[in-house]
Amino acid sequence: GESVGLHLPTLSVQEGDNSIINCAYSNSASDYFIWYKQESGKGPQFIIDIRSNMDKRQGQRVTVLLNKTVKHLSLQIAATQPGDSAVYFCAENAGGTSYGKLTFGQGTILTVHP
Amino acid sequence: DAGVIQSPRHEVTEMGQEVTLRCKPISGHDYLFWYRQTMMRGLELLIYFNNNVPIDDSGMPEDRFSAKMPNASFSTLKIQPSEPRDSAVYFCASSLTGQRTDTQYFGPGTRLTVL
Repeated sequence: GESVGLHLPTLSVQEGDNSIINCAYSNSASDYFIWYKQESGKGPQFIIDIRSNMDKRQGQRVTVLLNKTVKHLSLQIAATQPGDSAVYFCAENAGGTSYGKLTFGQGTILTVHP
Repeated sequence: DAGVIQSPRHEVTEMGQEVTLRCKPISGHDYLFWYRQTMMRGLELLIYFNNNVPIDDSGMPEDRFSAKMPNASFSTLKIQPSEPRDSAVYFCASSLTGQRTDTQYFGPGTRLTVL
């Protein structure tokens, strides 16, 4: 079946560096994507989203890029801080009548070293 | 706002026992979701409700699982009888409206261990 997946399960960076977390999706019908951050012992927390009619969206220190041609999504974190250490998930919503049915990727563990 | 509240935070039980997980969504949110998270399968949607009515339960693994939402501020996920393979973290989430792009807010989760 179609699914959302991640290329890299772990990413280690130094404090102050920029981080890039990647996600591949296979459902061509997906038109809405979300990045979530999950800290240890907590539930996923919304970071940023993007619709398929956009290529890029920026938030505070985060940028999401969408390449529909190759079905690829990335999350860029600028000036990574130790507090950014967490598991990051991309999720997709294929729309139609399936409201609320988010399909999550497996997650990438980001570790930020001081 | 207190956010989504789940109880208990941790549950340890023996195989065959009944387990009930509880959730209080954010006040005013019309949609409530139950997810399960495991290392092998990641985050999976089990069921979701709109205005207390179950809309899609296709993610519920089997008849041992049931979910109810008797009112707008309370939902339960019940497993009877529980099995070791049910061990996971169960999350409840809620969103404000029926818009597909509406943010889902997650609770802290219940870590279930079935021995």
